[in-house]
Amino acid sequence: GDSVTQTEGLVTLTEGLPVMLNCTYQTIYSNPFLFWYVQHLNESPRLLLKSFTDNKRTEHQGFHATLHKSSSSFHLQKSSAQLSDSALYYCALNGNYNQGKLIFGQGTKLSIKP
Amino acid sequence: DTTVKQNPRYKLARVGKPVNLICSQTMNHDTMYWYQKKPNQAPKLLLFYYDKILNREADTFEKFQSSRPNNSFCSLYIGSAGLEYSAMYLCASSSYTGQLYFGEGSKLTVL
Repeated sequence: GDSVTQTEGLVTLTEGLPVMLNCTYQTIYSNPFLFWYVQHLNESPRLLLKSFTDNKRTEHQGFHATLHKSSSSFHLQKSSAQLSDSALYYCALNGNYNQGKLIFGQGTKLSIKP
Repeated sequence: DTTVKQNPRYKLARVGKPVNLICSQTMNHDTMYWYQKKPNQAPKLLLFYYDKILNREADTFEKFQSSRPNNSFCSLYIGSAGLEYSAMYLCASSSYTGQLYFGEGSKLTVL
């Protein structure tokens, strides 16, 4: 079945440094939708980015990601981390849009230090 | 109003007792989901409703039931709670865009 892999469980960075959180996926479908959700402490997950277009960069709130179907990747990046970016980040996959099923990775906890 | 509400926020249950969790949304979304979230694990999809059609995951098919009496409400029912059911249960809804809107979760502790 569909799956999402986030290799880092915890990423700790100093404020101002660039952020990159890895996400790769597996699906039998040729036109998957990929998402990044962010969950701050004591809040529910909310959508950060989404994409279904190959090789097109999508951006929101200073974060960006590009869906690369050739490598089945959708890495999350930001040029300069802020303290407020500390949160749990989930990569998620909807392999078959008509099926409506969203599969999550295990999540990466991003901790930004001053 | 992009709000999904869940009740109760916290639930304490005894082993072998039933548990009923409630979710509501006012966005007229077609699809409502229930996920189980345990510490250091990915949210695990349990089931979802597309309109009135219920889809349950194969590995949790017999453990969880659900009903959707109208578009706005969806429940998650555990007939006999076991210790392994202790988790955060997240409800979400989505429209045609595929974006999920999550509730704040219902934390279930089974003793």
